[in-house]
Amino acid sequence: DTEVTQTPKHLVMGMTNKKSLKCEQHMGHRAMYWYKQKAKKPPELMFVYSYEKLSINESVPSRFSPECPNSSLLNLHLHALQPEDSALYLCASSQDEGKEPFPGANVLTFGAGSRLTVL
Amino acid sequence: QQPVQSPQAVILREGEDAVINCSSSKALYSVHWYRQKHGEAPVFLMILLKGGEQKGHEKISASFNEKKQQSSLYLTASQLSYSGTYFCGTETRKGSGNTGKLIFGQGTTLQVKP
Repeated sequence: DTEVTQTPKHLVMGMTNKKSLKCEQHMGHRAMYWYKQKAKKPPELMFVYSYEKLSINESVPSRFSPECPNSSLLNLHLHALQPEDSALYLCASSQDEGKEPFPGANVLTFGAGSRLTVL
Repeated sequence: QQPVQSPQAVILREGEDAVINCSSSKALYSVHWYRQKHGEAPVFLMILLKGGEQKGHEKISASFNEKKQQSSLYLTASQLSYSGTYFCGTETRKGSGNTGKLIFGQGTTLQVKP
């Protein structure tokens, strides 16, 4: 299995709602990432989990709350979002950087994304 | 700091060649190249590491000039399937364990016409 699966594909929510985005991979990767992508812009890093521990938080507002229940799953909990948070949210994973075929590197495998619309 | 890509957009005919450049003002540990088609996830193409080159795609090559902190992606004999947005991603430090802070350039849109 060489895929990163994200659900839901589309999500519409109000500013007072609480929702979650889910990401799953079964490639044995030990790092997982959340990126945010606006239209015609590059992906922007939000969070990085390594071995199920949060290692990077790019000063993301607290209305976004990541969770890594185990090495295969990554969630992004959403609460009290703003319309400007509407975007494509991409999950990615990477293998242990000591392993082949790219030792010394964090090559990302992306999921198809969850398109979020905040009303 | 975000790397700078050039050109912003390229239009080609099938069979033509293209070069996409990526430069950084910081010392780089690695440069990654990804392609994203409309409505799809970015897909890994190539990675270049400081001190060496690794090729991840059979028909696409790349170079990494460590002195200038620049990378170039070479697309030869382009095919319709090459159309999409190309992003370079740069790491300015070697991550501890398997964490990496990959920052993407603004993207280069490539359109290949029949």
